[in-house]
Amino acid sequence: QVQLVQSGSELKKPGDSVKVSCKASGYRFISYAINWVRQAPGQGLEWMGWINTNTGETASAQGFTGRFVFTLDTSVSTAYLQISSLKPEDTAIYYCTRGSGHSSNPEELDYWGQGTLVTVSS
Amino acid sequence: EIVLTQSPEFQSVTPKEKVIITCRASQNIDSNLHWYQQKPDQSPKLLIKRASQPISGVPSRFSGSGSGTDFTLTINGLEAEDAAAYYCHQTDTLPRTFGQGTKLEIK
Repeated sequence: QVQLVQSGSELKKPGDSVKVSCKASGYRFISYAINWVRQAPGQGLEWMGWINTNTGETASAQGFTGRFVFTLDTSVSTAYLQISSLKPEDTAIYYCTRGSGHSSNPEELDYWGQGTLVTVSS
Repeated sequence: EIVLTQSPEFQSVTPKEKVIITCRASQNIDSNLHWYQQKPDQSPKLLIKRASQPISGVPSRFSGSGSGTDFTLTINGLEAEDAAAYYCHQTDTLPRTFGQGTKLEIK
């Protein structure tokens, strides 16, 4: 069965970096893009961007460029979200989610990871 | 950027009631609109894809309709387990966007 398993919660200080992992299993990893979605405490869902797992090409929403980087290690079917220069307002749950359809133009998000809580506090 | 506006933002409903949630897009997105359910402390779950296509394993009381700019999610015969937040999501253009969400409370 398809599974996306994310790394555990992180507590970071402002200015630190964090790398969240998302390990996929149960399907051919390079056939489906991985999207990243943020959910701040008590707030709604915010699409951050995706990575084409076949080519490594990425697309990002405005506000998630620069400090937010999406990478892959296809040898272990894992996608990563790295956030640098963390700010308190980055405190949120970060979800990885598989985009159905072609990896270059993903459609509905059919499988989701369990989420990773990143807390940024001094 | 395509803005998705959901209404209502909050609704308190009784079991067996019929619930309609609407999602309006700021421009034509054809049928590239999907619905998700998020229960407290859980990851979102895909409910309906491409405006009206059902998802295997999702109860038949959930249905979707619409195209272009106006979409609806209907829950026929609400059950207590349907207490959740519901989000629409468009995949017509970049950047992908979500509606702000609709929270359903069961009385």
